[in-house]
Amino acid sequence: GNSVTQMEGPVTLSEEAFLTINCTYTATGYPSLFWYVQYPGEGLQLLLKATKADDKGSNKGFEATYRKETTSFHLEKGSVQVSDSAVYFCALQIQGAQKLVFGQGTRLTINP
Amino acid sequence: NAGVMQNPRHLVRRRGQEARLRCSPMKGHSHVYWYRQLPEEGLKFMVYLQKENIIDESGMPKERFSAEFPKEGPSILRIQQVVRGDSAAYFCASSPEMRAVSGNTIYFGEGSWLTVV
Repeated sequence: GNSVTQMEGPVTLSEEAFLTINCTYTATGYPSLFWYVQYPGEGLQLLLKATKADDKGSNKGFEATYRKETTSFHLEKGSVQVSDSAVYFCALQIQGAQKLVFGQGTRLTINP
Repeated sequence: NAGVMQNPRHLVRRRGQEARLRCSPMKGHSHVYWYRQLPEEGLKFMVYLQKENIIDESGMPKERFSAEFPKEGPSILRIQQVVRGDSAAYFCASSPEMRAVSGNTIYFGEGSWLTVV
């Protein structure tokens, strides 16, 4: 079946640290891959996406590269801020379908 | 352009009552999805609807849960005879007609938090 596995949280970092949140997937065919972010008490916001192998999605200093050979879509940021504290969800969308399959989420806390 | 609108944001129901959650998609969107988020867990797909049609309900519990998206008005997720285990955040999302084979962005509302007491 189709599934997404994320790095277990919570993750706690100091401001300006380097961030990596791992995400791997299992899917039939060639999925599109997404990262969503959920701030406390809010809904999910799309952070970035990639639709084919070797594509890099980027937004707000975050990046993720679609690696077909390792079935991964790790999220990275060079220097995190306190305002990046949130829950991050990796998700896939099967080609020809609309619905998203989510990972379990990774809670990130950035300390000043 | 308003986003996906959900109401109520917070709902408290006693065991055995009914809960109705409403979702108005973004303007121009004809596809609606409902997801459930249990405390400290990820989002689980429940149902995917287009106007007047249920496309995929593979994530819906077999009993007590139903969803509709009528020709006019918002989508409704209905939970009958609620139990404590139904306490969760319910997120609605919407998308336009598929423009590509893949990578179609889905936009989420801010969620409805249901508490069953």
